[in-house]
Amino acid sequence: AQSVTQLDSHVSVSEGTPVLLRCNYSSSYSPSLFWYVQHPNKGLQLLLKYTSAATLVKGINGFEAEFKKSETSFHLTKPSAHMSDAAEYFCVVSDRGAGNMLTFGGGTRLMVKP
Amino acid sequence: AAGVIQSPRHLIKEKRETATLKCYPIPRHDTVYWYQQGPGQDPQFLISFYEKMQSDKGSIPDRFSAQQFSDYHSELNMSSLELGDSALYFCASSIRGQGRYEQYFGPGTRLTVT
Repeated sequence: AQSVTQLDSHVSVSEGTPVLLRCNYSSSYSPSLFWYVQHPNKGLQLLLKYTSAATLVKGINGFEAEFKKSETSFHLTKPSAHMSDAAEYFCVVSDRGAGNMLTFGGGTRLMVKP
Repeated sequence: AAGVIQSPRHLIKEKRETATLKCYPIPRHDTVYWYQQGPGQDPQFLISFYEKMQSDKGSIPDRFSAQQFSDYHSELNMSSLELGDSALYFCASSIRGQGRYEQYFGPGTRLTVT
């Protein structure tokens, strides 16, 4: 069985300050982990993915995430927030035992203040 | 680059009616997934198809059925619609045969049942 917990339902930062969105996962197999972003009334866009290669993964728009097996975490970070980063972010797990189906976390709404 | 295409983008139906949602995967992608995202909810996996065969089944109601055709497009058929079926329905595709697990999402179909 696989599951994902996003520890914060809402995160608010000021423009230009760092972003940290927290994610913990549970998986019976070696998981693949993803972060997706969803802007209001838009589809889901893949930000970055971890698939058992380098543990520090760089994605689009300056985001990166670090896979820490000992902590079962996959937190998303960005050094400096931009107003356009305001959106809903989903941490997602997929493992072979689940037939590659994705299990989504509950989502974190990121708000960026000017 | 070509993306996943979903049609229609918006659909309004009445209770007890039927609806058909269509998904056209990225060219050369062999796997299609359907997800349902209720208001304020995270996406929930419904069903997937690999090489035109049903691959995995999630929380899809018995009133729903789906199939993947020879050109790899997929259709989600929904009958006896209920108010609770109002949601954003996403289709995603991937190249499962190459062991690549990232799924690329379409823009979604917003279904409103009145």
